[in-house]
Amino acid sequence: KNQVEQSPQSLIILEGKNCTLQCNYTVSPFSNLRWYKQDTGRGPVSLTIMTFSENTKSNGRYTATLDADTKQSSLHITASQLSDSASYICVVSRNTGGFKTIFGAGTRLFVKA
Amino acid sequence: SQTIHQWPATLVQPVGSPLSLECTVEGTSNPNLYWYRQAAGRGLQLLFYSVGIGQISSEVPQNLSASRPQDRQFILSSKKLLLSDSGFYLCAWRAGGSNYGYTFGSGTRLTVV
Repeated sequence: KNQVEQSPQSLIILEGKNCTLQCNYTVSPFSNLRWYKQDTGRGPVSLTIMTFSENTKSNGRYTATLDADTKQSSLHITASQLSDSASYICVVSRNTGGFKTIFGAGTRLFVKA
Repeated sequence: SQTIHQWPATLVQPVGSPLSLECTVEGTSNPNLYWYRQAAGRGLQLLFYSVGIGQISSEVPQNLSASRPQDRQFILSSKKLLLSDSGFYLCAWRAGGSNYGYTFGSGTRLTVV
């Protein structure tokens, strides 16, 4: 079954600290993996995309990693800011005919002053 | 540049009343259009998608329907709302298949009372 599991469900950190969010997937055949940031009450916004051959991708303070062998990805946030408080959603697409994109449930991150 | 508009932002409707949510895209032609529903603590659930005018694919049997009367317009409707239709609805577009990322609208918070 094609699934995307994210952990933790929620996370509270202090401003300035680093954190890492996890995404495990069983989606096959794999096409690409994206991380989205969703502010409360808003639509998700894409942060990074990685294909099978890429194992790391950065976007400012956000760094995503991908291990296609273990089917795991992580999103590392460096020097967190209050504005990083949001849900982070892992999205995996299948490399097959038809429409197949699977969304994780997201990790809710709270950054406190 | 491409933009996506979704309205209204919030909506409170009584059970049994009709629904119409509208989504329009600017700055692109022949986009793939999507309606998603997001429940708290769960991943986005695909409701409908469209690859062209008048072409609607339904992913989940439900009390809702979708229409695409124009290339860049996507409408989500219901004749009679149920309590279970409450949720956060997101419209999205992308240029093609799973190799492309989504651009989401700002969402509609629907509460059926």
